[in-house]
Amino acid sequence: DQQVKQNSPSLSVQEGRISILNCDYTNSMFDYFLWYKKYPAEGPTFLISISSIKDKNEDGRFTVFLNKSAKHLSLHIVPSQPGDSAVYFCAARSGGSNYKLTFGKGTLLTVNP
Amino acid sequence: DSGVTQTPKHLITATGQRVTLRCSPRSGDLSVYWYQQSLDQGLQFLIQYYNGEERAKGNILERFSAQQFPDLHSELNLSSLELGDSALYFCASSVARSTSTDTQYFGPGTRLTVL
Repeated sequence: DQQVKQNSPSLSVQEGRISILNCDYTNSMFDYFLWYKKYPAEGPTFLISISSIKDKNEDGRFTVFLNKSAKHLSLHIVPSQPGDSAVYFCAARSGGSNYKLTFGKGTLLTVNP
Repeated sequence: DSGVTQTPKHLITATGQRVTLRCSPRSGDLSVYWYQQSLDQGLQFLIQYYNGEERAKGNILERFSAQQFPDLHSELNLSSLELGDSALYFCASSVARSTSTDTQYFGPGTRLTVL
């Protein structure tokens, strides 16, 4: 049972345009969400996070939006750069003393020059 | 560089063998996590240690075990290896004082190939 789903295995955008990566979750106990970026042969790198008490968090070119009623979050990258080409993972954590992260399968973003 | 180190980077072994993967957390982080990434799969949580004690267990096989030492480094032991154990194994660390804002930082991973 996949509790965190990234339904698009891949996404291709032009340099300078917006990249929108989507993530859906099923577990209503999730209260903290993170996005990680992963280059080949490297570990995931933390990008940005959002708590369930917020609906938006922004950090430079990266913005994460959370729609709790739809159990959906998205990562916006504006403007997209070729160096952003990587696999992006959405992750979620439930509350209490549980620190375990549940990951989606990832979306491969390709930014074309 | 996340500050989390993992050794070795690559490991090739045969079925039935036993291997040990090592992880050193970021300075100041008390918690270590192990994740497995198989082909076409997202990262699957295996186990968490906090300051030397097991805190949470995920989809970890009985053939696998882990421990965290007094200097906070951790080892993941995989025994009676099977072909299906071939995967990337990632270690992550975090402060783990509060779940509300805790962020896990990942090491570069160990690629295990079982032949």
